[in-house]
Amino acid sequence: QVQLMQSGDAVRKPGASVKVSCRSSGYVFDTYGISWVRQAPGQALEWIGKISAYTGQRDFSQKFLGRLFMTTDKSKDTAYMELRSLTSDDTAVYFCARDRWVGEILYYDHWGQGTLVTVSS
Amino acid sequence: DIQVTQSPSSLSAAVGDRVTITCRASQSINSHLNWYQLKPGKAPKLLIFAASDLQTGVPPRFSGSGSGTDFTLTVAGLEPEDFATYSCQQTYSAPYTFGLGTRLEIK
Repeated sequence: QVQLMQSGDAVRKPGASVKVSCRSSGYVFDTYGISWVRQAPGQALEWIGKISAYTGQRDFSQKFLGRLFMTTDKSKDTAYMELRSLTSDDTAVYFCARDRWVGEILYYDHWGQGTLVTVSS
Repeated sequence: DIQVTQSPSSLSAAVGDRVTITCRASQSINSHLNWYQLKPGKAPKLLIFAASDLQTGVPPRFSGSGSGTDFTLTVAGLEPEDFATYSCQQTYSAPYTFGLGTRLEIK
């Protein structure tokens, strides 16, 4: 069955970086894209960005311009999201999700278990 | 950015009740609207995609409708496991914004 397994929780100081991994199994990795979504404590879900595992094409929220880096490693069936210059506002649970399309409509049918990133001095 | 306004923010209901949650987009998004169920410590679960298509394995008591700017999620005959938070998301135009969520509580 399809599974997305994320790396463990992380604690970082302000100004540092964090890299979250998302290892896929149960399907052909490069036939689907991966999206990243986060949820800060008590807040709504927030879309971060997405990457095609086949082409590497990225699309992301301008909010993260200059400090978000999304990559994939096809040899490991794994996607990565690195966020730099962290602030306390980046404290959140980060999810990866598999992109699915019906026609031109995108949705997420499988999600990782979530990675808590805590930014604290 | 397209804004998605979800209502109500919270809802109290009993097992067996029928409830409806709405999402309104700030501009037409055709049918590019998905619904997810959120539970603490768990991955979000897809319920409805493309406004009205039921995800495989999701009970048919869940249904979605709407197009353009106005959408609804209905749960007909609440079960104990349905008490959770529900969130809609538009994927018409990036950034793919989510609603603030509706917390469904047991009455």
